Amino acid sequence: GNSVTQMEGPVTLSEEAFLTINCTYTATGYPSLFWYVQYPGEGLQLLLKATKADDKGSNKGFEATYRKETTSFHLEKGSVQVSDSAVYFCALGGITGGGNKLTFGTGTQLKVEL
Amino acid sequence: DTGVSQDPRHKITKRGQNVTFRCDPISEHNRLYWYRQTLGQGPEFLTYFQNEAQLEKSRLLSDRFSAERPKGSFSTLEIQRTEQGDSAMYLCASSPPFRVSYNEQFFGPGTRLTVL
Repeated sequence: GNSVTQMEGPVTLSEEAFLTINCTYTATGYPSLFWYVQYPGEGLQLLLKATKADDKGSNKGFEATYRKETTSFHLEKGSVQVSDSAVYFCALGGITGGGNKLTFGTGTQLKVEL
Repeated sequence: DTGVSQDPRHKITKRGQNVTFRCDPISEHNRLYWYRQTLGQGPEFLTYFQNEAQLEKSRLLSDRFSAERPKGSFSTLEIQRTEQGDSAMYLCASSPPFRVSYNEQFFGPGTRLTVL
């Protein structure tokens, strides 16, 4: 079945540092890949997505590239801010009956300090 | 533009009691999903509706769980004879029709269930 593995947290960085959160997946077919973010006390929000191999998703300075050869979708940001502190979830979408069941990783908590 | 709403936001119940949660999706979203999230874990898929039809159920959805979407709009998730292991955050998400965006889901704030 489908599965997602992402690096464990918490990840603690200083403001303006470079961020990488690793995500690898196992899936049949050609799933879509997503990064969701959960800020403290809030619901899950879609951060970015990629629907096919070599696509790059980007939003708010975050980027991730769909690498089929390495089955990876690593999240990167060149310069993090304190406001980026949140839990980040990598997910893949499996088409089912016209829907899109998401399989999530366990989440990586990011803490950004001044 | 209102997002996905869930009610209640928090529920504390005693073991053995029944509970029901409600989800109101974004207007015109015909696809609706329920997930469960326990502490330190990512959300796990429970079930999926397209309009009023329940098209998939996870093995996580035991016989004590039932979900409905009677008119293809709001949905309810009922847990009968609650157990302490049911304590979790229950998330609802919705998606527009497949032809609009086949894979983007919008999540509600969740209902946190605590079973004592």
